[in-house]
Amino acid sequence: QVQLQESGPGLVKPSGTLSLTCAVSGGSISSSNWWSLVRQPPGKGLEWIGEIYHTGITNYNPSLKSRVTISVDKSKNQFSLKLSSVTAADTAIYFCAKILETGTSSWFDPWGQGALVTVSS
Amino acid sequence: QSVLTQPPSVSGAPGQRVTISCTGSSSNIGTGYDVHWYQQLPGRAPKLLIYVTNNRPSGVPGRFSGSKSGTSASLAITGLQAEDEAVYYCQSYDSSLSGSVFGGGTKLTVL
Repeated sequence: QVQLQESGPGLVKPSGTLSLTCAVSGGSISSSNWWSLVRQPPGKGLEWIGEIYHTGITNYNPSLKSRVTISVDKSKNQFSLKLSSVTAADTAIYFCAKILETGTSSWFDPWGQGALVTVSS
Repeated sequence: QSVLTQPPSVSGAPGQRVTISCTGSSSNIGTGYDVHWYQQLPGRAPKLLIYVTNNRPSGVPGRFSGSKSGTSASLAITGLQAEDEAVYYCQSYDSSLSGSVFGGGTKLTVL
């Protein structure tokens, strides 16, 4: 049973770079799966940030694409998020998730427990 | 504004049936992309509830079911229980955005 665990600084200064790592356990990140990040501002809905395949292929939300980098470290069985030039609007709970898919569809299961990242000086 | 539109809230008494709608467009649900549903209990991560329109992961009660027609989808919950009180999100793929999109979430209150 795959499990995901988010980790990273809980506080980032405005204009800085948010960094988050998603550790995968119970399975290999090199399996035939995509891996994703989703965020949720406090009291609001879910927003897809982007996804990565174990080969390093990525897809990003167009609204965040200029500021987002997702990378994979197969040796550590983990993937990571970097979000640059952050503002208070980037304050959110950040979730890691495994993507399951068919030819015409993809969905998220399981999810990590989430990590709250606050952007504040 | 979410790409998929859900009602902000629904409610029902224990034992009743409620439905939650999810309205999309020709670039997502209307194109034929599947719809998936998640349940988020207070303070918890979202949990997969329904995938590919009407499939339940192991452990999800048969009281939960999904359907899709045209540019919309629905989640139905029968025999409402107090433990069903949560926020429910729909999700699909959008070809214009080339990525996953979510509904704004619907808070279910069990009266």
